[in-house]
Amino acid sequence: DTAVSQTPKYLVTQMGNDKSIKCEQNLGHDTMYWYKQDSKKFLKIMFSYNNKELIINETVPNRFSPKSPDKAHLNLHINSLELGDSAVYFCASSHHHPEQYFGPGTRLTVT
Amino acid sequence: AQTVTQSQPEMSVQEAETVTLSCTYDTSENNYYLFWYKQPPSRQMILVIRQEAYKQQNATENRFSVNFQKAAKSFSLKISDSQLGDTAMYFCAFMKHASPTYKYIFGTGTRLKVLA
Repeated sequence: DTAVSQTPKYLVTQMGNDKSIKCEQNLGHDTMYWYKQDSKKFLKIMFSYNNKELIINETVPNRFSPKSPDKAHLNLHINSLELGDSAVYFCASSHHHPEQYFGPGTRLTVT
Repeated sequence: AQTVTQSQPEMSVQEAETVTLSCTYDTSENNYYLFWYKQPPSRQMILVIRQEAYKQQNATENRFSVNFQKAAKSFSLKISDSQLGDTAMYFCAFMKHASPTYKYIFGTGTRLKVLA
């Protein structure tokens, strides 16, 4: 059984479009995260939700909006996509513990 | 702000040999965690090993061990008996002890290639 899943795994879209990436975890964790890995493989946190409450919001453009409908889900919506948004986006989760479990990543390509 | 530095962008090692990946970090915190993650071509992030800063004993996981030098703020990863499956990007990561706002600060990664 997949612990942290993301859909889609690949997403190709044009500049200006709006897209969403979904994340689900079946581990019973209460904290979920979004990380961005750029073309140079650098990984940086974007957001974190704890019990559906936003607790980490790094310097991310307003075009990125996370939404957590419940503790098991954290979605990422991106408006007006730009070329620089092309990256791999990782979802992760944790529970009262520093160790985080990562999803398989979503490769977003903006053309 | 915390920073993590991996000074070796690429390394290679012969199969069955030993290799050490370097990581240094900067922090004023006393309680924190350090991690090594492996990212193979499949891009899945896989936890290799974890170290709590308050523990003086170096963590080991099978062929993987760390050399944690708290005063020097150094956290290197040693891979013994390297295998072809160890070929991957390796990321060192720092995490401040701040529940529930745990967040990783990653280094830039070291690309390791194991040669047959």
